[in-house]
Amino acid sequence: AQSVTQPDIHITVSEGASLELRCNYSYGATPYLFWYVQSPGQGLQLLLKYFSGDTLVQGIKGFEAEFKRSQSSFNLRKPSVHWSDAAEYFCAVGGANNLFFGTGTRLTVIP
Amino acid sequence: DTGVSQDPRHKITKRGQNVTFRCDPISEHNRLYWYRQTLGQGPEFLTYFQNEAQLEKSRLLSDRFSAERPKGSFSTLEIQRTEQGDSAMYLCASSSGGPRSYNEQFFGPGTRLTVL
Repeated sequence: AQSVTQPDIHITVSEGASLELRCNYSYGATPYLFWYVQSPGQGLQLLLKYFSGDTLVQGIKGFEAEFKRSQSSFNLRKPSVHWSDAAEYFCAVGGANNLFFGTGTRLTVIP
Repeated sequence: DTGVSQDPRHKITKRGQNVTFRCDPISEHNRLYWYRQTLGQGPEFLTYFQNEAQLEKSRLLSDRFSAERPKGSFSTLEIQRTEQGDSAMYLCASSSGGPRSYNEQFFGPGTRLTVL
C-alpha cells in the first residue's frame, strides 16, 4: 500500500538556521516524489520534484531534497531559513495517476 | 497562464443543502484532480479526469458526491445533502498528463466548505 510518513508534526527553527524536514514513503514501484508548501488558507505550491537521475534535486526558494532509495526517504533541506518560509510542508508520492500526501510538517520561524 | 482557479473560495451552508464547486484548470492541461483536505491533514485524493472521462474514484467519494468535466475543460464537484463531516478544504489540481509530466500537479487555492 502507498503511504507517506512525515514524523515531525511541528518544527521550530531560528531565522538563518538550517532546516531538514523528514519524509519516508512506501510505494510499490519506482515513485515520483514531491514536496509542496502551503501557506494558511492557500493552495499548494510545488517546491521540487524527483522522477529519476540525480538523487539530489534543487527546487525553488533555495530548497533541496535528497532521494535515498535504501531508506525510502526524501528529506527536504534548506541551509538558511527565512521568516517567509514559515508554512506547512507536505511530502507526496505518486505514480502515473494520483498522489498520496503525508500529514504535513508545520514550520515556525523565530526571528 | 493564469494557473488553476477555483470558485467559490469559501462556502458556508446548512446541513442537508447541496453545494457545487467549480475548478478551471491550466488551459492546456488534460488531467484534472479533486482532493479533500481536513484540518491538520494532507490532501486526500477523491477523483481524477483525463479530458472528459472520469478514470478513477476514491472510496472517499460517497454517492452523495459527484464530479463532472463535460467538455474536458472546467470541472464541477457537487455534494448533495451535506453533512458536518463534509467540512473541509476542497482542492483542485491539473497536470498535462503527457509522458514527461510525471504526474506533476498544479494546485488551485481551494474552496473552504463549512457545514453548519
